[in-house]
Order: sequence, then C-alpha cells, then structure tokens
Amino acid sequence: NAGVMQNPRHLVRRRGQEARLRCSPMKGHSHVYWYRQLPEEGLKFMVYLQKENIIDESGMPKERFSAEFPKEGPSILRIQQVVRGDSAAYFCASFMGDKYNEQFFGPGTRLTVL
Amino acid sequence: LAKTTQPISMDSYEGQEVNITCSHNNIATNDYITWYQQFPSQGPRFIIQGYKTKVTNEVASLFIPADRKSSTLSLPRVSLSDTAVYYCLVGPHGSSNTGKLIFGQGTTLQVKP
Repeated sequence: NAGVMQNPRHLVRRRGQEARLRCSPMKGHSHVYWYRQLPEEGLKFMVYLQKENIIDESGMPKERFSAEFPKEGPSILRIQQVVRGDSAAYFCASFMGDKYNEQFFGPGTRLTVL
Repeated sequence: LAKTTQPISMDSYEGQEVNITCSHNNIATNDYITWYQQFPSQGPRFIIQGYKTKVTNEVASLFIPADRKSSTLSLPRVSLSDTAVYYCLVGPHGSSNTGKLIFGQGTTLQVKP
C-alpha cells in the first residue's frame, strides 16, 4: 500500500516563475493538508482540502498561492511568481476517517528559488 | 489551540532510555496529545497519541499525569537511528479543529554511540 506521494522531490525555479507541487494521498484518503517548513523551523499549516473543496486556507498567503484537489488526480499546490522567500520544504499529509491527529506525511518537495 | 513547550535539544547515548517532556498548561478538555518524529529531509511520522494516563505501542510510551498539563514521551533503549526531531502537539480530535496540526520547534534528539 503506497504511502503519500509527492513530486517532484526537488524543484528549482527562478524568481518570477511558477511552481507546481503535486501530492497523491494514501489510497482511500480523501483529506489532504499542505504544510510549509522553512529552514530550521517547524511545519506551518497552509491549507486543508477535501475532494473538490477547500475547507480551510487560513494558513496560505492570499496572493500568489493556490491549491486544488480535483475529483480525479493529485492535489496541486501552485505558487505563482515565486520569490526567494518561498524557498522551503512543502509537505502534504492525508488521513482517513476522523483520525485528524494521525496524519500520514509525504516525503516533501524542496523548492529552491534562485 | 494549546501552546506547547518542550526542550530545544537533548543528547543521549545508544541503549539509554530517553524521556522528552512537553508542557501544555492550557490544554482543553477535548484536546489530545500527539507526538510526531521527523528525520532530516523527510516528512513527520506519527508516533503515539493519548488523552490521559499511559499509552504504549511498539515504538514508545506516553505518560500523562492526572492534570494533563504535561506529558512525557519515553523512548526505550535508543539507537543512532532515533536521532530526529520530536514534536509534541495538542489539539482536539475530530472535525471541530479542521484537523490542522500546529507544530512548535520540537526537540532535536541526538543519539551518540
């Protein structure tokens, strides 16, 4: 049973370009969270999605960031016009049922903005 | 959500038992205590969760006193591979929270040979 999958694992972008990060939750999980981890810091919640719905985006910057979780396919975190401060590790997590506190994390995408 | 306080770092040696204590003085009645482990360049991994008294699984034990204002994660006989960051989280269990996990700085455990 494959775990949470994220791709790419590493992504390099120049300032002003777009970054697209993908997350496939564990089989049977319909809830996805995105977290961001800056160097030497803990993870910060960004957005919570269920299939075709954004439930909570209170942790996501209002500009340049967007997320979706379509009916078919992976969840996408999109960052437009990246800046150096966007350089971080982006993790997605999924869970089953009502076990909100027991989330399964993917390996992360490390975004580097030059 | 309850704020947690835990040591920034700890050192130990292989074979020792390690206890990491987390303070959460403002824990609410419906809050659970959850611990995650994170290795370098990996996502966090759920270790253990409890509400009160003691919980044990194949990885660790979690001790929670009656007042629930603190908790202690106990790792028996650590090995070098237990070197990681350990996060203590408190929050409600269920949809009232929208499920987002609030991570603090965590405790960096360094196990030495």
